[in-house]
Amino acid sequence: QITLKESGPTLVKPTQTLTLTCSFSGFSLSTSGVGVGWIRQPPGKALEWLALIYWNDDKRYSPSLKSRLTITKDTSKNQVVLTMTNMDPVDTATYYCAHRPPLITVSRPFDSWGQGALVTVSS
Amino acid sequence: DIQLTQSPSTLSASVGDRVTITCRASQSVSSWLAWYQQKSGKAPKLLIYKASSLESGVPSRFIGSGFGTEFTLTISSLQPDDFATYSCQQYNSYPWTFGPGTKVE
Repeated sequence: QITLKESGPTLVKPTQTLTLTCSFSGFSLSTSGVGVGWIRQPPGKALEWLALIYWNDDKRYSPSLKSRLTITKDTSKNQVVLTMTNMDPVDTATYYCAHRPPLITVSRPFDSWGQGALVTVSS
Repeated sequence: DIQLTQSPSTLSASVGDRVTITCRASQSVSSWLAWYQQKSGKAPKLLIYKASSLESGVPSRFIGSGFGTEFTLTISSLQPDDFATYSCQQYNSYPWTFGPGTKVE
């Protein structure tokens, strides 16, 4: 059974850097084809894809946020970390991490999600 | 970036109704479109991938179709547990993008 859980601060001040950790079990990020992504959702708004890291350390970022985002993995700890610099109140959102399964017979996107972590940006 | 639009934004329906939601892409995504269900305060749940493939464990009343730029999600007979928000997502090219969502109430 795959589980993911986001952790990090619930409140950050404007201009600060946000660091979120996704701790997972039930799969390994050393398995070929596996990925872990980050998605956010401002209150009452749509989902927004942020970043994705693969087993081979291939990284993909949202172009609109690329200058502010860094995604890394620690395979031995079963963790993926997302950092976002220069936080602004508009970044207030629930941040989710999610598992991208390996391509076996067909490509699937995110099949398992964490419960989400609400991050509020306010002074 | 590929933009996704959904219609309607809100849909009022009753148990037993056949419900159809449309997702349109600003350019072709081939068949690489997924549908998620999200309930208030919960994470999205994958329902459909590759436009029409049913995720394991998802009831067969959820039917996906389409190719290229136009896709539909149909719930053949709406059940009480189906009142939620439904979002499409393209994973044909980066950056992956989501639609704005359709609330079924």
